[in-house]
Formats: sequence, C-alpha cells, structure tokens
Amino acid sequence: KAGVTQTPRYLIKTRGQQVTLSCSPISGHRSVSWYQQTPGQGLQFLFEYFSETQRNKGNFPGRFSGRQFSNSRSEMNVSTLELGDSALYLCASSWRESSGTYEQYFGPGTRLTVT
Amino acid sequence: GENVEQHPSTLSVQEGDSAVIKCTYSDSASNYFPWYKQELGKRPQLIIDIRSNVGEKKDQRIAVTLNKTAKHFSLHITETQPEDSAVYFCAAIPDRGSTLGRLYFGRGTQLTVWP
Repeated sequence: KAGVTQTPRYLIKTRGQQVTLSCSPISGHRSVSWYQQTPGQGLQFLFEYFSETQRNKGNFPGRFSGRQFSNSRSEMNVSTLELGDSALYLCASSWRESSGTYEQYFGPGTRLTVT
Repeated sequence: GENVEQHPSTLSVQEGDSAVIKCTYSDSASNYFPWYKQELGKRPQLIIDIRSNVGEKKDQRIAVTLNKTAKHFSLHITETQPEDSAVYFCAAIPDRGSTLGRLYFGRGTQLTVWP
C-alpha cells in the first residue's frame, strides 16, 4: 500500500502571497487531517475532512482553508502569508470503523518558508 | 473537546536506562491511544498503540500502559539506545460512534539518550 504523499515538499514564498499544498491519502482512507508544526509548538490541528466535508476545525484564522475531493485527495490553502506561517505542514490520513478499528499515518510534510 | 496533557516536555537518560513518558486525557469516551515518534526532520511515525479494552501492550523494548479509571496512559522504553532520541507524542481519540479521524495530541516529549 502506498503511503501518504504530500506535494510540494519544500516551498519558499514571500509575505502577502498565497500557497496551496496537496495531500494524497492512503488508498481507502477517507479522512484527511492537517497539522501545522513549528519548533517547540507540537502538532497544531488545522482541520479534518471526511467525504469532502470539513468535520473539525482548529483555532486558526480564516486565511487557512482547505478542501477535499471525491477521490479523498485534499488541499490546504493559506492566503496573505505572514512570516509566522513558516512551518512544517503535515497531512495525516486515517481510517476508522465503527467497531473501533483505527489507524492514522502522516505524510512527509511540506516545509513552507515565508520571507 | 478532548484535552491531552503530556509530561515531561524534555527527558534525558543514559543509554541503557529506562524512560517513561506520561499522558492524561479528559474525555472518558476516548478509547484509542497511539504513540508517535518523530525524529529530527522526519514525519511522526506510529510506534505503538493501545485500545481501551487492554491494560498493557508490549513490543520489544516499548510498552504502553493504560489506566482508564484515572484517565492516564504511559509509554515505557527499556534499555534505551541513542537512536531512541526523538520527540514522542501521545494522542487520544474519543469514540462517539462516528468515523471521524481527528486525534488529540499531547505537546510532545523530547527524549535524549546519552551514550
């Protein structure tokens, strides 16, 4: 089974620009979550998508948005970039059954640098 | 929502010693507790998990214990090696009969194993 993939892996943008990151989940996984990771800040939850619908949202400004397509691939967008948006953005794909079976795996991340 | 607290934030041990990381959670509906290891510059990797119907689980030098009454779970690493040095994250997910995949993470523990 192929793992979670994210593109691009590295990105450099300037303040005020916007950026779109992409995540392809593991085949069969319908839930995709996004996290922002900065040094010393752990994993900050951005949002979760399931069946093309945003089901959970973290405490981030409206400049951060996302979507999910019918094939479960997901994109996140950050508009009007700020220096503080420089971070590693991680996507995680998960699968859960009502029986309790659960698994979640992370992609390699996209390293975004805002200058 | 669920709140996961993790301690300590940093832990230094001598090679060969044991390391213990502890987490508490707030939502009694949580029933799945994974642990992730993140080496520098890499993605978080699932290393072990435990479900609420189990009190302890072992995998070679790693073990996880769960106390549902007290709402806490712990990661135990025995015979530590320098390659165990990494950031470790605990997480929990409440079971509300849905297939949503959001994990609630602790803030992480930086483990350093000195040779």
